[in-house]
Amino acid sequence: EAQVTQNPRYLITVTGKKLTVTCSQNMNHEYMSWYRQDPGLGLRQIYYSMNVEVTDKGDVPEGYKVSRKEKRNFPLILESPSPNQTSLYFCASSGQTGNTIYFGEGSWLTVV
Amino acid sequence: DAKTTQPPSMDCAEGRAANLPCNHSTISGNEYVYWYRQIHSQGPQYIIHGLKNNETNEMASLIITEDRKSSTLILPHATLRDTAVYYCIVRVGGLYNTNAGKSTFGDGTTLTVKP
Repeated sequence: EAQVTQNPRYLITVTGKKLTVTCSQNMNHEYMSWYRQDPGLGLRQIYYSMNVEVTDKGDVPEGYKVSRKEKRNFPLILESPSPNQTSLYFCASSGQTGNTIYFGEGSWLTVV
Repeated sequence: DAKTTQPPSMDCAEGRAANLPCNHSTISGNEYVYWYRQIHSQGPQYIIHGLKNNETNEMASLIITEDRKSSTLILPHATLRDTAVYYCIVRVGGLYNTNAGKSTFGDGTTLTVKP
C-alpha cells in the first residue's frame, strides 16, 4: 500500500529542546515536502526536496532544517523549537511534478 | 511564485453540482493546478490536477481557463460526504526547473453540502 508515514503523530515539547519529526515513503518518489498548517489557514510549504541531497526552502523555512540522505526519508528538524512553531505538520511525496502528491496523516506539535 | 485565491465558504444542495472557483492570476507556464480536500485535520486527499487542458476523473472535473489565470473544480453530484475544505494548489513542474516541486496552497473553501 502506498504510504507516507510520519512520526510522532502527537508531541508536546518544551522551548529549546531539539526534536525531529521523521517522514518515510514507500513509493520510490523523487519529490518530498514538509508543510505546516495553522488554524484556519491552508498548508504552507516549509522545505521541499527533488531528490537525494537536493533540498530547497519553501515559503516558511525559518526555524527548520531538513536533510535528504536517502530517497525514502525526509526528516524535519527543529533545532530550538519555539511556541510559534506549534502547528500541524504534514509530509508529502510525489513522483515527477505532474503526478499525484501523497500526504501523510499529520503530526501535531505543541511547544510550551 | 503564483498565489491562489479562493472564496472562504460555499453551500451546495445535495445532488446538485458544486462549482468551486480558484484564482491564480500570476501562474507561470510550468505550474500545475492541483485540487485537494481536507476533512477536519486529516491529511489532504487528492481530487484532480491539470496543466493546461480540462481534466475529468471519477471524482470531479477541472476546468482551466484558456489564459490559465483561474480554474473551477466541479463535483457533479455533491453528497453530504463531500462536505470538506477544498484547496487549490499551484505547483512548479518540469524536470529541469531548479524550484520544481515548490507548492503554494490557497486558504481553502469550506464546502457545506446540505440535504
